[in-house]
Amino acid sequence: GAVVSQHPSRVICKSGTSVKIECRSLDFQATTMFWYRQFPKKSLMLMATSNEGSKATYEQGVEKDKFLINHASLTLSTLTVTSAHPEDSSFYICSAREVEAKNIQYFGAGTRLSVL
Amino acid sequence: GESVGLHLPTLSVQEGDNSIINCAYSNSASDYFIWYKQESGKGPQFIIDIRSNMDKRQGQRVTVLLNKTVKHLSLQIAATQPGDSAVYFCAESQVGGYQKVTFGTGTKLQVIP
Repeated sequence: GAVVSQHPSRVICKSGTSVKIECRSLDFQATTMFWYRQFPKKSLMLMATSNEGSKATYEQGVEKDKFLINHASLTLSTLTVTSAHPEDSSFYICSAREVEAKNIQYFGAGTRLSVL
Repeated sequence: GESVGLHLPTLSVQEGDNSIINCAYSNSASDYFIWYKQESGKGPQFIIDIRSNMDKRQGQRVTVLLNKTVKHLSLQIAATQPGDSAVYFCAESQVGGYQKVTFGTGTKLQVIP
């Protein structure tokens, strides 16, 4: 099946710093990538939809200046958590949808962010 | 708003038995449904999907049933194995265009050896 690589798998940072998370589709092209946030024992909450070459579409309540998304190519999207605070600590997961495929999203392994 | 939910938050099953995980959805416009499996500390893994023009679809040891009349779908796992222990999410979307996927709350499946 299609493989999505997410890096880093875990990051610990100090409050006020910025953290970048990368999401790559390894063996397929993805015009659309998605970024989710997941709290412990909860479901995935869609943060934004990232379209290659255009601005991301953010869900209601998600600060676009806080969570910067860049989708510069058909295989790479990045999420930058700017000026991170402890409340930003969470599990962030990306997914990618293949260009010609139906709505199957292939997920990365997730990034555990801990802000001290 | 529209939502996708699950009846049982936790399901314990004896190894070798069949498992049935249920899901209710409320968005009548949804016509595409997916089941994902998420192991602890990992991203969701695609299991099986079904379109609204079908009421049943089978995969390897898994079957998804869709009842559009009552907006309900289920995931059946045959001969459940310890490796099946995980959280299972149903998700709904629409086939046309780049529709986002909405996830349900999840059911934790515990397989008892």
